Amino acid sequence: AQRVTQPEKLLSVFKGAPVELKCNYSYSGSPELFWYVQYSRQRLQLLLRHISRESIKGFTADLNKGETSFHLKKPFAQEEDSAMYYCALSGTGGGNKLTFGTGTQLKVEL
Amino acid sequence: KAGVTQTPRYLIKTRGQQVTLSCSPISGHRSVSWYQQTPGQGLQFLFEYFSETQRNKGNFPGRFSGRQFSNSRSEMNVSTLELGDSALYLCASSLGFVSTDTQYFGPGTRLTVL
Repeated sequence: AQRVTQPEKLLSVFKGAPVELKCNYSYSGSPELFWYVQYSRQRLQLLLRHISRESIKGFTADLNKGETSFHLKKPFAQEEDSAMYYCALSGTGGGNKLTFGTGTQLKVEL
Repeated sequence: KAGVTQTPRYLIKTRGQQVTLSCSPISGHRSVSWYQQTPGQGLQFLFEYFSETQRNKGNFPGRFSGRQFSNSRSEMNVSTLELGDSALYLCASSLGFVSTDTQYFGPGTRLTVL
């Protein structure tokens, strides 16, 4: 069975402070990991995926297979980063089935 | 390019009734997935359709069903509604049947069961 755990429901940081949103997963094979974001009154959208090894809006995430983690990081938080962040996993058996974590609400305070 | 559209946006039904939700994917996308979002369970996968065939299914009772048409539009149906079916139902489309494909989500249909 595949599972994604996001231990923090709410993370509050000050503008300019570093951000780390935690994500741990459980999967027997080699998963595809994603971060999705939902800004206020907007649709759920892809932020980044581990296979691309990219930085989007200053965010990065590294897949650590030893610790089964895929934490999302940003060195300096901005007010516009306030949103709901979901970590998601897709198995390699084909298809687009995503298993989501429960999400972390990031609040960036001035 | 128009995004994923879902109709209706809001629905109110009573227990025992059935409901049909519709999803129009982005033009050219052939895969459609459905998710249920509730405060208690979060986002849960319902099923995925690709080329008019159900390819993946989540752990939901048989009251939840779906289909996909030749133009890739998809519908999901919930029969014999229960109070616990009240949720936001999200549809997502992607180009193909590859796990690394980007999924594009619709705005959702908010279903309330009274």
